[in-house]
Amino acid sequence: GQNIDQPTEMTATEGAIVQINCTYQTSGFNGLFWYQQHAGEAPTFLSYNVLDGLEEKGRFSSFLSRSKGYSYLLLKELQMKDSASYLCAVTSGGGNKLTFGTGTQLKVEL
Amino acid sequence: DTEVTQTPKHLVMGMTNKKSLKCEQHMGHRAMYWYKQKAKKPPELMFVYSYEKLSINESVPSRFSPECPNSSLLNLHLHALQPEDSALYLCASSQDPGLGADTQYFGPGTRLTVL
Repeated sequence: GQNIDQPTEMTATEGAIVQINCTYQTSGFNGLFWYQQHAGEAPTFLSYNVLDGLEEKGRFSSFLSRSKGYSYLLLKELQMKDSASYLCAVTSGGGNKLTFGTGTQLKVEL
Repeated sequence: DTEVTQTPKHLVMGMTNKKSLKCEQHMGHRAMYWYKQKAKKPPELMFVYSYEKLSINESVPSRFSPECPNSSLLNLHLHALQPEDSALYLCASSQDPGLGADTQYFGPGTRLTVL
């Protein structure tokens, strides 16, 4: 089976930087994905990592350590619209089966 | 363009009704997926279609019946549902199901209420 852990909630200030951590245990790891989901809307793809290291996409960066089963999503220059749930998800084995963590609800405050 | 469309946006049905959810993508993707998402929970995979063939069924009850008429369309036929089946049903697609880490793009979902 798979186990994916993320903090349930986080609060940060507008303009600041926040790091959302994700740890996972899985066999046959293929890749790790980050999605953003606003309430009542579909998940939106943010970033993915297959190999160890940092992937940067504008204000968002994602890091992966396969040996440690660890990833983080870094959000810079936070904006109010970044208030959302951030989902860590892993694909493993065949079939591109995506398994999600429980999500981290981020609240950005003034 | 990474657009996946779903219809209807909202659906209310009784436990004896038969209805269908529809999903469409025109990105040339060869894998399509159905997920179910309950409130404050992450999406849960239901079915995967790879090159128009059902490749994964996550032990979903038979009252949910998927269909992939062609590479752009995915349907989910609903029959004799239970109130606990009320949820957001999400469709997703990805380019190449042979890739182990292939990005999935989600549609806006159908909000289903079973009375």
